[in-house]
Amino acid sequence: GENVEQHPSTLSVQEGDSAVIKCTYSDSASNYFPWYKQELGKRPQLIIDIRSNVGEKKDQRIAVTLNKTAKHFSLHITETQPEDSAVYFCAASGVGNTDKLIFGTGTRLQVFP
Amino acid sequence: DAGVTQSPTHLIKTRGQHVTLRCSPISGHKSVSWYQQVLGQGPQFIFQYYEKEERGRGNFPDRFSARQFPNYSSELNVNALLLGDSALYLCATQTTGTSAYNEQFFGPGTRLTVL
Repeated sequence: GENVEQHPSTLSVQEGDSAVIKCTYSDSASNYFPWYKQELGKRPQLIIDIRSNVGEKKDQRIAVTLNKTAKHFSLHITETQPEDSAVYFCAASGVGNTDKLIFGTGTRLQVFP
Repeated sequence: DAGVTQSPTHLIKTRGQHVTLRCSPISGHKSVSWYQQVLGQGPQFIFQYYEKEERGRGNFPDRFSARQFPNYSSELNVNALLLGDSALYLCATQTTGTSAYNEQFFGPGTRLTVL
């Protein structure tokens, strides 16, 4: 069945360092890959997304890369700040007639000052 | 412009009871999806409704049902509650029924506790 694996489950970095989170999806028909940030007790917030016709997308300190051959996509955060601390989820969508998002298991990012 | 709203914010029920959760989409959004998020895990897809018709259903028992109204708001119903139904229930809305072209916006969620 459809599955998204996400690594690592926890990530601790020093302020100013870079953070990388990696995801692998199972269904080659997936064509939309969003990343969500969820702070404790709050709703998931979209931070960046990428569609299957693009290999890389960047928005200020955040970038996402997609390798469709390997069914692999990654989130890169540069110059991390303490306010980047949260749980990050990757997701894949676009299979069949539904827009359901298949989420990864999440990465808890801690940025230490 | 108001975001996605959900009610109630919190709910406490006992096993065997029934619950109804509500979601109001952003104006202009015609698709509503429901997700269950158990503590420490990623959201799991339950249903998607688009233009008042069921577009998809996740791997949840028949105790879970949903519907979408003419104004595009939606209800999620859960019967015969089990302890394992305790979770944050999120709804997400989008303009049309194609996420490849439209972002899904999440509501704040309803925290359901089953005792």
